[in-house]
Amino acid sequence: DAGVIQSPRHEVTEMGQEVTLRCKPISGHDYLFWYRQTMMRGLELLIYFNNNVPIDDSGMPEDRFSAKMPNASFSTLKIQPSEPRDSAVYFCASSFRTEQYFGPGTRLTVT
Amino acid sequence: QQQVKQSPQSLIVQKGGIPIINCAYENTAFDYFPWYQQFPGKGPALLIAIRPDVSEKKEGRFTISFNKSAKQFSLHIMDSQPGDSATYFCAALRRGNEKLTFGTGTRLTIIP
Repeated sequence: DAGVIQSPRHEVTEMGQEVTLRCKPISGHDYLFWYRQTMMRGLELLIYFNNNVPIDDSGMPEDRFSAKMPNASFSTLKIQPSEPRDSAVYFCASSFRTEQYFGPGTRLTVT
Repeated sequence: QQQVKQSPQSLIVQKGGIPIINCAYENTAFDYFPWYQQFPGKGPALLIAIRPDVSEKKEGRFTISFNKSAKQFSLHIMDSQPGDSATYFCAALRRGNEKLTFGTGTRLTIIP
C-alpha cells in the first residue's frame, strides 16, 4: 500500500486566496483525520470522519475552514479566505482499529 | 486543557546511551497509548503502542513502560544511534472515540 497520500506537498498563496488540500487515505481505513502542526501549538486535530461522516469538527479554528469526504478514498480541507496565520503543516491521517497512519503533510505558506 | 503532559522538551544523549521520555495523562478512560517518531519534513510515524493491561512492551530497541496507578508511561530507546535523532510524541486515546490526544513532543538528539 502506498500509505496516506496528500497533495500538494507545498503550497504558497497570497492572503485572501482559497486553498484546497487533498488527501487519499489508506484503502480499507474507516477513519480519516485532519491535523495542523505549528511550532507554537504543536499537533492539533482539526476534524475527523468515520465512514465518510464528520464526527468531530470542534478543532476547526473558524468558519474559514471546511472539510469534506465525498467518498472513502478522498477528502479535502479548504481554507477560504486564507490568512498568514494559517501557515502551518497540515497532515491527513487514516486508521482502522485505532492505529493512525499519517501522510507526508502539506506545508502551507500564506503571504 | 492539556490531557497528556510530556517531558523533557529536548534531550541530548550520547550514542549507545538510553534516552527516556516520559508522559503523564489525566483521563483514566484512555486505553491506548502510542508513540510517534517524526523526522524533519516528514509526517509522524507510529513507532510502538501499548494497552493498559500490560506494564511493558518491547519492539526492537524501543520499549514502553506503563504504570497504570501513576497514570504514566515512558519510552526507552536502547543502544541509541544518531539515526534515532527525531521528535518523539506520546499520545493517548479511548478506543471507540478514536481521537488521539498528543503530548507536546520531545526533540531527541543522539550525538556520535
